[in-house]
Amino acid sequence: EVQLVESGGGFIQPGGSLRLSCEVFGLTFRSNSMNWVRQAPGKGLEWISYISSGGTSTYYADSVKGRFTTSRDNAKNSLYLQMYNLRAEDTAVYYCATDGGSWSIDPWGQGTLVTVSS
Amino acid sequence: QSALTQPASVSGSPGQSITISCTGTSSDVGTYNYVSWYQHHPGNAPKLMIYGVINRPSGVSNRFSGSKSANTASLTISGLQAEDEADYYCSSYTTGSTLIVFGGGTKLTVL
Repeated sequence: EVQLVESGGGFIQPGGSLRLSCEVFGLTFRSNSMNWVRQAPGKGLEWISYISSGGTSTYYADSVKGRFTTSRDNAKNSLYLQMYNLRAEDTAVYYCATDGGSWSIDPWGQGTLVTVSS
Repeated sequence: QSALTQPASVSGSPGQSITISCTGTSSDVGTYNYVSWYQHHPGNAPKLMIYGVINRPSGVSNRFSGSKSANTASLTISGLQAEDEADYYCSSYTTGSTLIVFGGGTKLTVL
């Protein structure tokens, strides 16, 4: 069974930094591209980042470009999201998820909550 | 890129069929057959229901089907069941640096 486990969420003040982690079990991590998707309270899903299987290509939504960095360590079956200069509007549940093929996203982790507030 | 457009809510009675639309542009839905649909019960992880416009992942009920015409994709759920009540999101590959765009989500209520 494939399992994705996010960690690192929490409460942070505006302007602060936070690093999310996602450990993946049950699949050949190094062969899979990965995504980060978030959901703000009461809002819909928002794709925010993609990283290729080897980590050489990354893409970001305009809302986080220049502030967030996605990376991976294939030796540790882990995906990371480094977030800088956090804003109140970054408050959301952050999901890591595997590329399911045909630009779908599947499966997903359970998510980790990031709250940005003073 | 703007989000894809979905109705905010739809409803139906058990046993009925409903369709949720997802309208994009020629930069996404209209050009690429990379439309996906997700079921999301709040508090749980989203679940992929349809990928590549019409394909069902293993284990997804054949009551769920997808289609596309021009810039609009659709998800049809037949034989509605109580457990289908959830939020549904479409997504599409899109041109430009933003690879994937989601719809705003549709809340399905089973009456």
